[in-house]
Amino acid sequence: IAGITQAPTSQILAAGRRMTLRCTQDMRHNAMYWYRQDLGLGLRLIHYSNTAGTTGKGEVPDGYSVSRANTDDFPLTLASAVPSQTSVYFCASSGGGHTGELFFGEGSRLTVL
Amino acid sequence: GQNIDQPTEMTATEGAIVQINCTYQTSGFNGLFWYQQHAGEAPTFLSYNVLDGLEEKGRFSSFLSRSKGYSYLLLKELQMKDSASYLCALADSNYQLIWGAGTKLIIKP
Repeated sequence: IAGITQAPTSQILAAGRRMTLRCTQDMRHNAMYWYRQDLGLGLRLIHYSNTAGTTGKGEVPDGYSVSRANTDDFPLTLASAVPSQTSVYFCASSGGGHTGELFFGEGSRLTVL
Repeated sequence: GQNIDQPTEMTATEGAIVQINCTYQTSGFNGLFWYQQHAGEAPTFLSYNVLDGLEEKGRFSSFLSRSKGYSYLLLKELQMKDSASYLCALADSNYQLIWGAGTKLIIKP
């Protein structure tokens, strides 16, 4: 089934550790996004990529980095995790230009202790 | 700046109609989206409006008034499976999405 896959689905992490959340899509979408979702807040954009080889900062990029070596993969790395990064992280992709719908992965629930 | 507001929670009865409102303030506007998100799951696309008026899609309809900075999602013939959060998001002048916090809809039998 075509779609977008995230891993891991859930992780508990000690503060200070490095963590990479993986995201892979097989829809050949150019644009990919990482969001975090926290209770009582809307989805907040961390980083995005409009096409392979390019990335950009979203609303809350500090403490996170991304890479886009190819069309399919868009990993998100926390270099040194802090408790405030406890959240649910969603990867999404879009192939329909600026106004196309987003397709989301199932989310990665990250707890930093 | 940009601001987007929607009610935190609403309750409705199975078989009834419910309207979820979304108001926004923005300097640039390139459309408004509605997404549905069941608890513990990913958001899924429901609708996109860029012109004023009503867009109907089965039991769900979405309305936009750009002059009033207002949209609503109308759900008819409510079913228990419609219990979910409904997320409003606007595309700003750079086509970045600004998301509301979501409206949790509780359907009672």
